[in-house]
Amino acid sequence: AQSVAQPEDQVNVAEGNPLTVKCTYSVSGNPYLFWYVQYPNRGLQFLLKYITGDNLVKGSYGFEAEFNKSQTSFHLKKPSALVSDSALYFCAVSGGSQGNLIFGKGTKLSVKP
Amino acid sequence: GAGVSQSPRYKVAKRGQDVALRCDPISGHVSLFWYQQALGQGPEFLTYFQNEAQLDKSGLPSDRFFAERPEGSVSTLKIQRTQQEDSAVYLCASSLGVTSYNEQFFGPGTRLTVL
Repeated sequence: AQSVAQPEDQVNVAEGNPLTVKCTYSVSGNPYLFWYVQYPNRGLQFLLKYITGDNLVKGSYGFEAEFNKSQTSFHLKKPSALVSDSALYFCAVSGGSQGNLIFGKGTKLSVKP
Repeated sequence: GAGVSQSPRYKVAKRGQDVALRCDPISGHVSLFWYQQALGQGPEFLTYFQNEAQLDKSGLPSDRFFAERPEGSVSTLKIQRTQQEDSAVYLCASSLGVTSYNEQFFGPGTRLTVL
């Protein structure tokens, strides 16, 4: 069965510092991996996805993610965090032929000034 | 253009009542998904439509849950005889194509509270 794990419930970063939000996956076959962000009382917003090709994927708002097949990881990164990046981040894998997403439990990112 | 919209945004129901949650996907999007997000958890898949056809309903937790998309656009998720464990945020998402690597666009959700 497909699954993703986000080992950290919360990540705290100072503004201007680099940030990493971790995600590992377990899939059979080639993974389609996604990152979404959720702000309070709002739906999930798509950040980026990995389908195939370059292991470094660039997405919205300066975020990027690195796909590592040997470590089965897909960590989200940003070189310089902003206070406005504070939100809940979800990693997901495409779980079926129709593309229903299987989400991790989420990581709360807190960026302090 | 307009994104995915859902109504109502908030719904309070007494245990045993029936509720209907509406989703308006992005125009032209073929695929439509419903998810349930419990407090402090990631969304969990409920059901999937390709146009008007419900191709996967494996995530529906019980036969009290029913979804439809009769004309291939607007979808309704109905919950009969609501129970307290049904309290959650119900998210609708749509995507343009039918492949499993298309990104999904989510609505703001309907927060259901069952008293």
